[in-house]
Amino acid sequence: QKEVEQNSGPLSVPEGAIASLNCTYSDRGSQSFFWYRQYSGKSPELIMFIYSNGDKEDGRFTAQLNKASQYVSLLIRDSQPSDSATYLCAVTGGRDDKIIFGKGTRLHILP
Amino acid sequence: ETGVTQSPTHLIKTRGQQVTLRCSSQSGHNTVSWYQQALGQGPQFIFQYYREEENGRGNFPPRFSGLQFPNYSSELNVNALELDDSALYLCASSLGGAEGTQYFGPGTRLTVL
Repeated sequence: QKEVEQNSGPLSVPEGAIASLNCTYSDRGSQSFFWYRQYSGKSPELIMFIYSNGDKEDGRFTAQLNKASQYVSLLIRDSQPSDSATYLCAVTGGRDDKIIFGKGTRLHILP
Repeated sequence: ETGVTQSPTHLIKTRGQQVTLRCSSQSGHNTVSWYQQALGQGPQFIFQYYREEENGRGNFPPRFSGLQFPNYSSELNVNALELDDSALYLCASSLGGAEGTQYFGPGTRLTVL
């Protein structure tokens, strides 16, 4: 059974600081990794995807992937109150190609 | 470019009834995936349709069924509704089957009484 694990939080971070969100996955064959942001009562919104080991930066967001450790993370620099949301990690491309979501981490940016 | 749309936005049904939810994929996308998201949980994969064929299914019973039309819009049907079916149902469209990056619609909130 493929699993994607995230700390449910809430993770509280002061405004302007770096928020670090972590995700581990069980299927070593997984190939594609996604981070979605979900505001309360809304649908998930794609923030970033990453396929290769290392870092991928897009504005204030950096995704980091370490396939050897089966670990993917999302860093949010200069955190803003509008970043307060639940962040979902999603993984696909393993044995059965199904996309598996973690339960999400609630992030709260303190003004 | 038209985004993913879903209808209806909210729905209330009683136990034992049947429901049909609809999804229009983003322009140019040929793949639609359906998810169930219970409160406080991540989305759970129900099934995916790629070019009108089912292309993978999650751990949901047969009373969850679907189809995809030639214009790549899709329907999710749930028979014999149970209380635990109350959830947010999300549709996501993508290009190219299981490998494509998925973009979500606004969801349908189903309440079963």
